[in-house]
Amino acid sequence: GESVGLHLPTLSVQEGDNSIINCAYSNSASDYFIWYKQESGKGPQFIIDIRSNMDKRQGQRVTVLLNKTVKHLSLQIAATQPGDSAVYFCAEIYTSYGKLTFGQGTILTVHP
Amino acid sequence: SQTIHQWPATLVQPVGSPLSLECTVEGTSNPNLYWYRQAAGRGLQLLFYSVGIGQISSEVPQNLSASRPQDRQFILSSKKLLLSDSGFYLCAWSEQGIRGQPQHFGDGTRLSIL
Repeated sequence: GESVGLHLPTLSVQEGDNSIINCAYSNSASDYFIWYKQESGKGPQFIIDIRSNMDKRQGQRVTVLLNKTVKHLSLQIAATQPGDSAVYFCAEIYTSYGKLTFGQGTILTVHP
Repeated sequence: SQTIHQWPATLVQPVGSPLSLECTVEGTSNPNLYWYRQAAGRGLQLLFYSVGIGQISSEVPQNLSASRPQDRQFILSSKKLLLSDSGFYLCAWSEQGIRGQPQHFGDGTRLSIL
């Protein structure tokens, strides 16, 4: 069945470095993708989204890249800060009522 | 602006006891509403979703049920809790009727079954 998964379960970086978190999806019909950040004991927080008619979208310090050819999604965080430490999930929407399929998550740890 | 509230934040219940978790959304009308469960260190599993009052769809067979008595109120219930019902329960909402909208999550309820 369809699935959304992550290549790297953990990522450790130094403060100030750029971080890249990757995600693979298997449903080529998916047309909307979201990145969430989840801090310990809290619900996922929306970071950035991208639709399938785009291949890049930028936010504040974050960029999402979509490669539909290889069904790959990535989140780039510039100048990573200790407050960026969290679990990051990619999610895929493929139905009219907006049912999300989540990946397993990547733990990002930023060392000062 | 829209806000979503879940309570309680934590709950410890004995096996066989009933459950009622409540979620309310403010600042929007006729939202889609969702209940998810998250196991430790894992992704989110969709349990129920609702597109309107009294309309509930179940994604997985389980010991839980959901109800939507009001437009912006979503309740997760059980008559008799099992040990396997332990987990982190998250409520979410999204805009209705437009494909491809983000879901916004509450801060969850940590449920421990003893």
